[in-house]
Amino acid sequence: GAGVSQSPRYKVAKRGQDVALRCDPISGHVSLFWYQQALGQGPEFLTYFQNEAQLDKSGLPSDRFFAERPEGSVSTLKIQRTQQEDSAVYLCASSLLAHANTGELFFGEGSRLTVL
Amino acid sequence: DAKTTQPNSMESNEEEPVHLPCNHSTISGTDYIHWYRQLPSQGPEYVIHGLTSNVNNRMASLAIAEDRKSSTLILHRATLRDAAVYYCILRPRVAGGTSYGKLTFGQGTILTVHP
Repeated sequence: GAGVSQSPRYKVAKRGQDVALRCDPISGHVSLFWYQQALGQGPEFLTYFQNEAQLDKSGLPSDRFFAERPEGSVSTLKIQRTQQEDSAVYLCASSLLAHANTGELFFGEGSRLTVL
Repeated sequence: DAKTTQPNSMESNEEEPVHLPCNHSTISGTDYIHWYRQLPSQGPEYVIHGLTSNVNNRMASLAIAEDRKSSTLILHRATLRDAAVYYCILRPRVAGGTSYGKLTFGQGTILTVHP
């Protein structure tokens, strides 16, 4: 399809395991965002890429969280040594333009992570 | 980032208009007002945005107060598919290539539509 694709849709991890969540943005979109959404809450910003450059990682909650977008398209969010508080839906969004406060963000359906 | 205030929840009947309010008294002159909605088990989707003038699109209308300290999202005829969480967001100014217009979500308004 032409939308933002995220995988896996559901991931169950044991506490202490590493996980990797993938985002395929819409082709040609320059901007890519990651958000974390806990149950019953609004999405919380994690990090922002403009092409392959990670311009803002101020929302990453700890050094266990790492994101990359090496070729300016697909992005991976990695969580090391998962903890129960990492359980959430991780949302990826892309936008055609950089430096625009009018452009629409297109969100994927999210990856639901449950840490046992 | 400037903050928005929305009611926690609202209810409507199907085929009736819905007015979803948002207060943003600390809005700056170049903040755009964006609305997104999130249906159950889906990612947020764009609804509409505006700066000063009222805006209409196929999904909704956005009415912006003259002083820009509040706005109202208007769904002209609610359907069951409009049941969602609606987020009012101020998207900050983009300047000098260092800003990129981050979307900061609040709690939103849970809209329930009754048949």
